[in-house]
Amino acid sequence: EDQVTQSPEALRLQEGESSSLNCSYTVSGLRGLFWYRQDPGKGPEFLFTLYSAGEEKEKERLKATLTKKESFLHITAPKPEDSATYLCAVDRAGSNYKLTFGKGTLLTVNP
Amino acid sequence: DADVTQTPRNRITKTGKRIMLECSQTKGHDRMYWYRQDPGLGLRLIYYSFDVKDINKGEISDGYSVSRQAQAKFSLSLESAIPNQTALYFCATSDLYQGEETQYFGPGTRLLVL
Repeated sequence: EDQVTQSPEALRLQEGESSSLNCSYTVSGLRGLFWYRQDPGKGPEFLFTLYSAGEEKEKERLKATLTKKESFLHITAPKPEDSATYLCAVDRAGSNYKLTFGKGTLLTVNP
Repeated sequence: DADVTQTPRNRITKTGKRIMLECSQTKGHDRMYWYRQDPGLGLRLIYYSFDVKDINKGEISDGYSVSRQAQAKFSLSLESAIPNQTALYFCATSDLYQGEETQYFGPGTRLLVL
C-alpha cells in the first residue's frame, strides 16, 4: 500500500526565516510526486511535479527536491502570503494515475 | 473565469436525504475525479472517470454514486446521506500528455449532514 507522510504537521515561521517541509513516501514504482498548495476553504493549487531522484524545480520562493525516499519543499525568505497548507501526493506506476495524498503541513508565516 | 466549477459551494442536508454535487470544467480534459477531504485524513479518492463511458471506484466509494453526463460534467450523488459524509468535497480534472498528468482542483463543496 502506498504511503505518504508529511512533516511537520504544522510549522510557524517568522517572515524571512527559511525552512523546509518534508514528504516521505513508500511506493512501489514512483511515477511522479506532486506538491500542491491549499488555502483555507479553497481547492488545492498545483505547484510542482517531480519524476526522478535528483530532480529540482523552483517557483518564486519555493524549491522542490526529490530523492528515492522523500521530497523536500524548501521555502526561502517566506512572506505572510506563503501561509497555507502544503500537500504532497504520489502517483505509482500502474495505479492508473490515481494519487495518494499526505495529510499536509500547515505553514504559518508571521510578519 | 474558473476552469473547474462546483455547485453548490455549501450544502446542509438531513440524514437520509439524496443530494447531488455537480462539477463542470472548461479545460477540455477527459479525466475527472471526486475526492473528499476530512480534517486529519487528507484527500481520499471517491470515484474517477477517464471518459464518458469509463467510470471507476476509488478508495472510498461506498455510499456514493457518480454520473458523467458529458466530457465537461461529472456529478457525485449521495443516495441516502449520513452524518459521517460531512466533509469538504473536491472535483478535479486532468489530461494525460506524453505520459505526464497533472490534476487541477475545483473550489470545493462544503457538505454538512445533520
